[in-house]
Amino acid sequence: DADVTQTPRNRITKTGKRIMLECSQTKGHDRMYWYRQDPGLGLRLIYYSFDVKDINKGEISDGYSVSRQAQAKFSLSLESAIPNQTALYFCATSDPRDRAGYTFGSGTRLTVV
Amino acid sequence: AQSVTQLDSQVPVFEEAPVELRCNYSSSVSVYLFWYVQYPNQGLQLLLKYLSGSTLVKGINGFEAEFNKSQTSFHLRKPSVHISDTAEYFCAGGNTPLVFGKGTRLSVIA
Repeated sequence: DADVTQTPRNRITKTGKRIMLECSQTKGHDRMYWYRQDPGLGLRLIYYSFDVKDINKGEISDGYSVSRQAQAKFSLSLESAIPNQTALYFCATSDPRDRAGYTFGSGTRLTVV
Repeated sequence: AQSVTQLDSQVPVFEEAPVELRCNYSSSVSVYLFWYVQYPNQGLQLLLKYLSGSTLVKGINGFEAEFNKSQTSFHLRKPSVHISDTAEYFCAGGNTPLVFGKGTRLSVIA
């Protein structure tokens, strides 16, 4: 099993629908992140969490919300999806004690039509 | 504001030729620097990292990078590329959360 698992891998949804992207990890890391990737724009931070009770907005949090259900689970929600939220979404984890950088999930490709 | 700038969006190179992918960071970025690679339809995986110590860092798949404090650069190099190196490469810096560059698409031509 992968260290960081994202579900679903692909999703097509309609404008206005609520959708949740899920991320779970077996690394035992406290820190978790959601990024979106768009061609030519790299990875942009949506939200991050340093522990279960700590949630922080990133540079592009508008239109998104998150929930940290447990140390191992960090979900991203689009309350009312819009077409410009079509992107590749990545979840990542890190451990500040080893400074090894991030462990990424395989990504969720979301298309809003 | 912290920023990481990748100077080339696309780099085409012939197989077995050397390649350099350029990355500059703002001085406000704490000096932890990383290079990640993304193969088609996959997530990102760590190529190499600089935390401290020797300015020449060696990574996986024959890649290396040199940290240059005076030029605020962290360029990635490989002396001889293979077709399998075709991918997108991301430079990132900072503590956490990391700040990413916009990526460089490396295309290796047979």
